[in-house]
Amino acid sequence: DVVLTQSPLSLPVTLGQPASISCRSSQSLVYSDGNTYLNWFQQRPGQSPRRLIYEVSNRDSGVPDRFSGSGSDTDFTLKISRVEAEDVGVYFCMQGTQWPYTFGQGTKLEIK
Amino acid sequence: EVQLVESGGGLVQPGGSLRLSCAASGFTFSSYWMSWVRQAPGKGLEWVANIKQDGSETYSVDSVKGRFTFSRDNAENSLYLQMNSLRVEDTAVYYCARDDCSSTNCHWGAFDIWGQGTMVTVSS
Repeated sequence: DVVLTQSPLSLPVTLGQPASISCRSSQSLVYSDGNTYLNWFQQRPGQSPRRLIYEVSNRDSGVPDRFSGSGSDTDFTLKISRVEAEDVGVYFCMQGTQWPYTFGQGTKLEIK
Repeated sequence: EVQLVESGGGLVQPGGSLRLSCAASGFTFSSYWMSWVRQAPGKGLEWVANIKQDGSETYSVDSVKGRFTFSRDNAENSLYLQMNSLRVEDTAVYYCARDDCSSTNCHWGAFDIWGQGTMVTVSS
């Protein structure tokens, strides 16, 4: 199975400051069709997960443009340019390139 | 409104069975792969299984193979998870999620719609 390793696991951030989460894969996430199925989800406290980014860098409609995804092959990053209070929660990367789909452990973002 | 609503969770003894349902609305259910994802209390997310649009293919994580069965009824816009031989470690919130993979385009694993989840507790 593909193992996704996120870092850091805990991320205290001051309001208005940037934040960055790394997601490293144990195998290349490039699929045979040339696409890379690495996705990012946000789970606010007490809520269901919500998709933020799909296929590395495609931001969902309604997701603020302060969120961005980047990376390739085995190394990926989710960046928040200026953290706001509503960004508190847990962020998960997840790969759909190979079955079984797997998630990273999650990164808990909190306000300092 | 596009929506997924799970039901059927509850408390069950180890070795018991439970059937979860997920009712879809607001989109053409029969056009999408669908998945189940679970989250143990205070833990991360674990993908459990998915099922193709017509139900002809299912894929699942090894830990549930032979115990869980996945099905769908496109006429009823519903997804089902039959859980047998339940173990304490199956205790979790179970979410159904729409895999953003339709008959025309696939973004594998990019679950764009999630239900609110239903809690399954396996305990004696």
